[in-house]
Amino acid sequence: ETTLTQSPAFMSATPGDKVSISCKASQDIDDDMNWFQQKPGEAPVFLIQEATTLVPGIPPRFSGSGYGTDFTLTINNIQSEDAAYYFCLQHDDFPLTFGQGTKVEI
Amino acid sequence: QVQLQESGPGLVKPSGTLSLTCAVSGDSISSPYWWSWVRQPPGKGLEWIGEIYHSGSTNYNPSLKSRVTISVDNSNNQFSLKLNSVTAADTAVYYCARGGYSSGCLDYWGQGTLVTVSS
Repeated sequence: ETTLTQSPAFMSATPGDKVSISCKASQDIDDDMNWFQQKPGEAPVFLIQEATTLVPGIPPRFSGSGYGTDFTLTINNIQSEDAAYYFCLQHDDFPLTFGQGTKVEI
Repeated sequence: QVQLQESGPGLVKPSGTLSLTCAVSGDSISSPYWWSWVRQPPGKGLEWIGEIYHSGSTNYNPSLKSRVTISVDNSNNQFSLKLNSVTAADTAVYYCARGGYSSGCLDYWGQGTLVTVSS
C-alpha cells in the first residue's frame, strides 16, 4: 500500500499569495496523482488529474507538478473563495490512498 | 452534470450493519465507469472502501474486505454499501463517488453523510 505524506496540515494565506502544498508518495507512482478541493458540507471537487492536467472548468490559478514520488499543488494569486481543505489521491497502487489533507485559511 | 446523493441511517448500533445507498443522476450507472465508496472518520484522513462496476464486479480495500459488500441496482441507477460488525471506529462521513482504482480517478463525489456508531 502506498502512503501519501501531505504537508503542511494547515496554512494561512493572504489574498494574492502563491501557496504550495506537497504530497510525497512512499513509492514511485508515475504521474498517477490527483488533487481535490473540499469545502465544509460540500462534495469534493476534482482539480488536477495525472499530476499536472487541470480538470476542465477549474481556474488556471490552480496547477500541479511532480512525478514519481514528489508532487505539488500550487495556487497562484489565491482568492478568498479558495479557503478549503485540499487533499491528494494516488491511483497507481491498489488500494487507492489519500494524503491527510491541508486546511487552507485565507 | 453528474450528481451523487448518499442516503441511509445516521445512527447504527455497535455490532450492527451500516447500510447506505448512493443515487446517481446525470449519468447511467451502466456507463463505463466504476463506482466507489470512501469514508473519513472525524479528524482523520480519507479511506477508500471499495468499488463496483455495473456488471457487479467488485474490488475492496483489504483493510475492510471481510466486512464490506458493495452492490449495484442498475434499474434504479444506484449502488449500495453494507458494512457489518461495526464499532465506534466506523463512525465517519461516508462518500460515494464515480470512478475508482480501476477507473484511475474519482471525478464526481456526493456531499457525504455522517454515520455514527453508538448504542
